[in-house]
Amino acid sequence: GAVVSQHPSRVICKSGTSVKIECRSLDFQATTMFWYRQFPKQSLMLMATSNEGSKATYEQGVEKDKFLINHASLTLSTLTVTSAHPEDSSFYICSASGLAGTGELFFGEGSRLTVL
Amino acid sequence: SQQGEEDPQALSIQEGENATMNCSYKTSINNLQWYRQNSGRGLVHLILIRSNEREKHSGRLRVTLDTSKKSSSLLITASRAADTASYFCATSGYNFNKFYFGSGTKLNVKP
Repeated sequence: GAVVSQHPSRVICKSGTSVKIECRSLDFQATTMFWYRQFPKQSLMLMATSNEGSKATYEQGVEKDKFLINHASLTLSTLTVTSAHPEDSSFYICSASGLAGTGELFFGEGSRLTVL
Repeated sequence: SQQGEEDPQALSIQEGENATMNCSYKTSINNLQWYRQNSGRGLVHLILIRSNEREKHSGRLRVTLDTSKKSSSLLITASRAADTASYFCATSGYNFNKFYFGSGTKLNVKP
């Protein structure tokens, strides 16, 4: 159980376009989802915390108008990279909290974004 | 990283040897977790240790936590080539509302 599905796994887009990445919890309800960004050979940087039905909480330095996060249901959160530029190229990973009180995170397989 | 550093950054050992990775963090925590990431993939949860625990075991994994030093260690015993991956520690506060990751250790186990 506790599977998180992320789609697409890879996306290539032209500079200036917007890209949407979906994160779904398949067999549990995730009231909170987290979006991370990972540069090559580096750690995961928390971008924002997404709570179902409310606005996302962004980490310092993350542009909320650039990285739009929507958590419309208990099983789906989306990250939209707006007007993407080459510097937005990265590996984006979502995760969801498991059952209440366990503290364990379940991760999607990540989405590799390449902006040309 | 947002939370702390891990050392070593890279570790190369022979199969059968033990591997020890260390993690230091900056703020008070509710729990500390270790995750594993194969190249280009998502992360897999390995073990969680709560702030009131000092040591925990799971199979070939042994985790220690020293809250006075804000540090943790992960020991993998009798390593296997399949253990080759990057290992990250992650910490969260009391509401599990944020999870921050350390800088990671890249482990290479040579067959």
